[in-house]
Formats: sequence, structure tokens, C-alpha cells
Amino acid sequence: KNEVEQSPQNLTAQEGEFITINCSYSVGISALHWLQQHPGGGIVSLFMLSSGKKKHGRLIATINIQEKHSSLHITASHPRDSAVYICAAVNNDMRFGAGTRLTVKP
Amino acid sequence: DAGITQSPRHKVTETGTPVTLRCHQTENHRYMYWYRQDPGHGLRLIHYSYGVKDTDKGEVSDGYSVSRSKTEDFLLTLESATSSQTSVYFCAISALSYIDGYTFGSGTRLTVV
Repeated sequence: KNEVEQSPQNLTAQEGEFITINCSYSVGISALHWLQQHPGGGIVSLFMLSSGKKKHGRLIATINIQEKHSSLHITASHPRDSAVYICAAVNNDMRFGAGTRLTVKP
Repeated sequence: DAGITQSPRHKVTETGTPVTLRCHQTENHRYMYWYRQDPGHGLRLIHYSYGVKDTDKGEVSDGYSVSRSKTEDFLLTLESATSSQTSVYFCAISALSYIDGYTFGSGTRLTVV
């Protein structure tokens, strides 16, 4: 069993829908990192959070340390949000989930 | 990202040949990392560096070596490439280790035939 599990693996949504991507981890962490990998392959850091919630534009990340779970939400999804979203458990190193492939259709 | 570049972007090589991938940064960050990304797996750490000539192994270091003779350059070498090393390789940099967040390079797609 992977130390960092993401669900779903694949997600297709219609433009405008509210999206939730989940991340569960089994290791101790100092922070949880959310990243976005564009269709062209480039990887961008979205959030690093250790408690509560962070918001940037239409993206919201939450974390529940007791439950070892984090969620990434996208409000009013748009086709340009189509990407692979990756979470990573941060401690003395960074352990990555396998990613969630999101496709938003117009 | 303009602060980090990887070369080459694509490479096809034959089994048994040596291959070197280069990561170059202009951010003067202390930490540099090499990851590989394979379908069904998350990014996996190969080697990392915490300063010039200071490197350490990651989760999947067998068959790989690294060197960092200058702050700006981190080289990944496959001494004798195997088909299992066909992958996409990403370099990343950070100023203050993992908690600081990363900047990733654009990746190198390596195919070993």
C-alpha cells in the first residue's frame, strides 16, 4: 500500500462543476503539498499547508491532520483546469501520490 | 520556469550506454533533486543535493549517480542504461528543503531501447 493515496485516479467533469480531489496519507507529516501537472508535463506547486485551509482563486485546499486526509477543491471548474493534480506528504522528504487526472469538458 | 532548465528534453539511447542529464538553475537555491515519474507511480526521488559536492540517495537510487560541482548544476548519470530506466525525469529546486516548496524543471523524457 502506497504511503500517499489519491482518489479518484481519473475524474471527468462539466465546465462549472465543483471538483473535489482527495488525498490520504499514512506517514507523519510536517506539511501537505498540492501540485498541478499540465498536459505538456510541467509541474507547478499550488499549495503547501500544515493545518486548516488555504485558498487561491478558485482553488481551495484543506487538511485534517487527525484523519490524515487532505482535499483539493476547484470551484466553477473550467477546461483550463484540466491537468493531473498531485499531493505529496512532506516530512524529512516528500512522498508523492500517483496523481488524479482531471478533465473538464466545455 | 525560467529559473530551472533541464537538458536534453528528449533522448533515446541504447541499453548499456551511459547517459547524463543536466539540471541548471539560476536561483542560487541550495537544494536540488532528481525524480523519475512512471505511470501508476508518484514521483520518486532518485538523488538529491544539499550543497556543492553534498549529495545523498533517494528512494530509487540504484543504477544512478549524481554530481554537483557548482551550485547551479546538478547532473544525473545512468552509468549503463537499462530499459527499466525508461521514464520521465524531473529536476526540482528549493531554497530551504522540502517545507519551502519546489520549482520543477520541464522534464526529460528518456527512452532506453
